[in-house]
Amino acid sequence: EPEVTQTPSHQVTQMGQEVILRCVPISNHLYFYWYRQILGQKVEFLVSFYNNEISEKSEIFDDQFSVERPDGSNFTLKIRSTKLEDSAMYFCASSGLASENNEQFFGPGTRLTVL
Amino acid sequence: AQSVAQPEDQVNVAEGNPLTVKCTYSVSGNPYLFWYVQYPNRGLQFLLKYITGDNLVKGSYGFEAEFNKSQTSFHLKKPSALVSDSALYFCAVPSYGNNRLAFGKGNQVVVIP
Repeated sequence: EPEVTQTPSHQVTQMGQEVILRCVPISNHLYFYWYRQILGQKVEFLVSFYNNEISEKSEIFDDQFSVERPDGSNFTLKIRSTKLEDSAMYFCASSGLASENNEQFFGPGTRLTVL
Repeated sequence: AQSVAQPEDQVNVAEGNPLTVKCTYSVSGNPYLFWYVQYPNRGLQFLLKYITGDNLVKGSYGFEAEFNKSQTSFHLKKPSALVSDSALYFCAVPSYGNNRLAFGKGNQVVVIP
């Protein structure tokens, strides 16, 4: 069964450093998402991406964040200058359609720890 | 804004007993509702969804959910819980006009052997 994969599984970085989280969505999916889950809190939407551009972003997704689909398979989330409060589990998801009734498929997550 | 609420933090149930995980929703228009499960060190896995039609929705791993419009609820159920069902369960709803998912806080389910 096809699945979303994410690398690395755990990333430790120093405050102020740049990090890139990588995702490989399901191959025939066209819509891609990043969510994050701070320890003990809700899963929160960050951004959605379609046709090589951001289709929606939340208030969390400020200028420190960017997303890119550098080739036909990878989807990346970059945090330019990490802050302590960026420590969280980051989930990538993809879906085949954009309709509201279509389920999203999630990867296993990258645990980001900012020291 | 579309939202869901999961009133309980943890649900403890003995193996073999019925399992219920509660979710209530607040939406404008017709709701689309989802349940996801998160096993330890794993990503969110889709369990089932309600779009329209039959109020009882059947999903993966023997789970089902009942959509109740008058009570604005979408509780997840399983007739006979297994120890392997111990996990974190999330109810979710897409925002109106787009597909960003808004999640509930999650319920930790502990099935006791």
